[in-house]
Amino acid sequence: KQEVTQIPAALSVPEGENLVLNCSFTDSAIYNLQWFRQDPGKGLTSLLLIQSSQREQTSGRLNASLDKSSGRSTLYIAASQPGDSATYLCAVRPISGSARQLTFGSGTQLTVLP
Amino acid sequence: KAGVTQTPRYLIKTRGQQVTLSCSPISGHRSVSWYQQTPGQGLQFLFEYFSETQRNKGNFPGRFSGRQFSNSRSEMNVSTLELGDSALYLCASSFSPADRYGYTFGSGTRLTVV
Repeated sequence: KQEVTQIPAALSVPEGENLVLNCSFTDSAIYNLQWFRQDPGKGLTSLLLIQSSQREQTSGRLNASLDKSSGRSTLYIAASQPGDSATYLCAVRPISGSARQLTFGSGTQLTVLP
Repeated sequence: KAGVTQTPRYLIKTRGQQVTLSCSPISGHRSVSWYQQTPGQGLQFLFEYFSETQRNKGNFPGRFSGRQFSNSRSEMNVSTLELGDSALYLCASSFSPADRYGYTFGSGTRLTVV
């Protein structure tokens, strides 16, 4: 059974700092990995999607990497801003089988202090 | 284009009642998945529908059911509500279960059982 872990559970940084969020998964047979952002009481906003054949994806100040062999992904946020404060979730999708739903980590709650 | 629309946004129900939640996927998306999010359990998969057929079901009791209509809109129903059913229910859509472009989530329905 796939298990996804996100460390740290919470992170507080001053504005302008670069930071890295970590996601690890136990089964490397993944189809893709998706990073989401969730604001309090809201739904999930997709940030980046990395296919299993890719090593990284970039969007603006965000860069996500994937190392399937070691079961790890990182989300790098450059020049953090208070508006980046949210919970960040990673989710993996298995490559095959009947159970192809997303498995989520428990998230990293990020606070960027002005 | 319009995103994933979930209605209602908020619901308060009494224990023992039943409730129906609705999800309209992005136009052209035919796969709809449902997830339950609670502080203690995080995001857990409920079920996935594609072309009006349930493709996959998570580990939830039979009180949780769903269906999908020919226009891809989906509903989920919870009967005999329990206090523990209080949660944020999220719907996600994609072109198909094998969609390589990932999932788009709605804003969720916040269900409170009293």
